[in-house]
Amino acid sequence: DAKTTQPNSMESNEEEPVHLPCNHSTISGTDYIHWYRQLPSQGPEYVIHGLTSNVNNRMASLAIAEDRKSSTLILHRATLRDAAVYYCILRDVLGAGNMLTFGGGTRLMVKP
Amino acid sequence: NAGVTQTPKFQVLKTGQSMTLQCAQDMNHNSMYWYRQDPGMGLRLIYYSASEGTTDKGEVPNGYNVSRLNKREFSLRLESAAPSQTSVYFCASTEGPWRVAYEQYFGPGTRLTVT
Repeated sequence: DAKTTQPNSMESNEEEPVHLPCNHSTISGTDYIHWYRQLPSQGPEYVIHGLTSNVNNRMASLAIAEDRKSSTLILHRATLRDAAVYYCILRDVLGAGNMLTFGGGTRLMVKP
Repeated sequence: NAGVTQTPKFQVLKTGQSMTLQCAQDMNHNSMYWYRQDPGMGLRLIYYSASEGTTDKGEVPNGYNVSRLNKREFSLRLESAAPSQTSVYFCASTEGPWRVAYEQYFGPGTRLTVT
């Protein structure tokens, strides 16, 4: 799977939008962009995924650059519960077993 | 639905002891996975089972064995535990099929300490 680069940590104020960036300059045409988050002492949970077009769901929005070499996870109004490590992962749809390769992620801190 | 369940939640082993971590899912998923997470690190894949009756090695399989007992259950065995296997172990499952990027659902984890 292609690699991703994320900032180690970010801070946000409660009830403000948060933009979490991810660079993936070596992305291939069959790579989906997945975002997972891991709350303290819990297993990761799925947030959102996309291929080429921007995506919205109840948790977040995913904005994908036109050349697909970067993407941004957008939390529209951060809450204290959103404090977590956010992982940006590329998943090759042609790869074996639907495996996910986790990097270090971005630790998001939310201030009240 | 309970989702993905793991037992035990915590375990302390002495070097050389063996144990089996249990994982079960009630979502009728085809594929199941075992990951480990060391402090401050991302998850690394140990083994996976793309479908009932198949298992394959992931990134860090040495020192582990797995059994896909049936569609619901996927166990991870440490035959002779070593301190380097101190970690948090996560089981996950996904609907499949083989080549489609469906989301993975994770269990709460097993915290294992080997002394």
